[in-house]
Amino acid sequence: DQQVKQNSPSLSVQEGRISILNCDYTNSMFDYFLWYKKYPAEGPTFLISISSIKDKNEDGRFTVFLNKSAKHLSLHIVPSQPGDSAVYFCAASDLAGNQFYFGTGTSLTVIP
Amino acid sequence: EAQVTQNPRYLITVTGKKLTVTCSQNMNHEYMSWYRQDPGLGLRQIYYSMNVEVTDKGDVPEGYKVSRKEKRNFPLILESPSPNQTSLYFCASMGLGALFNTDTQYFGPGTRLTVL
Repeated sequence: DQQVKQNSPSLSVQEGRISILNCDYTNSMFDYFLWYKKYPAEGPTFLISISSIKDKNEDGRFTVFLNKSAKHLSLHIVPSQPGDSAVYFCAASDLAGNQFYFGTGTSLTVIP
Repeated sequence: EAQVTQNPRYLITVTGKKLTVTCSQNMNHEYMSWYRQDPGLGLRQIYYSMNVEVTDKGDVPEGYKVSRKEKRNFPLILESPSPNQTSLYFCASMGLGALFNTDTQYFGPGTRLTVL
């Protein structure tokens, strides 16, 4: 049973516009949320994270928003660049940080 | 260079022939983990290890074994591989102080396994 869900398998955005990637989770015990980026033939790389005590975390062009009541988080990329084209995975962990649960991924294409 | 290495990168084998995928990290990380990636299912955690001689099951441990005899190595063992274990496998490591910092798991490049 998928505890972290990314309902959009793909997303296309024009260069310079905003990309919004969404993620939903079902387990209220999740305390820490992460986004990873993955290029073909490479392992995922960490992008940005947020703990449950916050509702927003920003790092340059990347901002993650957390809505705990809705069990929903989103990743905003502004402005989007062609190099951002990759698969993005949402992940969640409990406070202990032992187990990680990943979504199915969203393939982002940024069109020049 | 800080990295996680996996070997082999590609492997084709037959049902029932025991195999080991090695994973090594050079960052002195306590935490290591194995994941498999399948279409439509994302990454699913197989096993993880909090430190030497400490391992625990993840979400999908059936059919896999691991060992953690040294801090830097975390091999994944398939005693009797079956076709449903055909997948892309990733090893990852993390310093235990990292989870609430700005960094987290480092992933290896992946091992593509095909079981015929």
